[in-house]
Amino acid sequence: DGGITQSPKYLFRKEGQNVTLSCEQNLNHDAMYWYRQDPGQGLRLIYYSQIVNDFQKGDIAEGYSVSREKKESFPLTVTSAQKNPTAFYLCASRKTSGSFEQYFGPGTRLTVT
Amino acid sequence: KQEVTQIPAALSVPEGENLVLNCSFTDSAIYNLQWFRQDPGKGLTSLLLIQSSQREQTSGRLNASLDKSSGRSTLYIAASQPGDSATYLCAVGRLQGAQKLVFGQGTRLTINP
Repeated sequence: DGGITQSPKYLFRKEGQNVTLSCEQNLNHDAMYWYRQDPGQGLRLIYYSQIVNDFQKGDIAEGYSVSREKKESFPLTVTSAQKNPTAFYLCASRKTSGSFEQYFGPGTRLTVT
Repeated sequence: KQEVTQIPAALSVPEGENLVLNCSFTDSAIYNLQWFRQDPGKGLTSLLLIQSSQREQTSGRLNASLDKSSGRSTLYIAASQPGDSATYLCAVGRLQGAQKLVFGQGTRLTINP
């Protein structure tokens, strides 16, 4: 079954700690994205990558970092510099041609106290 | 800067009714528009994607239309069922740069039995 997996589903951290969220896809998609969702708001783009070893900042990249060492994997690190890290984080990937439809993973809910 | 608006924020209708969800965007230079469904605490499920050259797309009881010149899209749901209760999000694909999506805030739909 092709799809996008995110782990863990729930993550709890103390303020001041860095935390890494996992995103893996087996859809053979070149492009991958990280979004953040806050209650009552639409999704906002954090980082995206169109190819291995290359990535770009989205609209709200401050306090986050990513890597893209493999086509299948696009982990997101939430650093202690992120002022309001508690949110629902969604990973997505895009078809390499045609319609460019984006597919989403199940999300990780991060709570920082 | 592209802005996407969905009105109303919440909608409650009795089972069996046909209904329309609205999405408006400020910049008509789009690549495509996607409609998603999100259940509480879950990721996004792609429902329909309309390319900028298309006027509408249909899948089962769902029909999405696109009017680029007026900056509007509608999602029509026929014969609504309680299982249709969810938040519906529209997202516009930017014409330039990695097909980044700009999301509306969503319409929370409740279908009452």
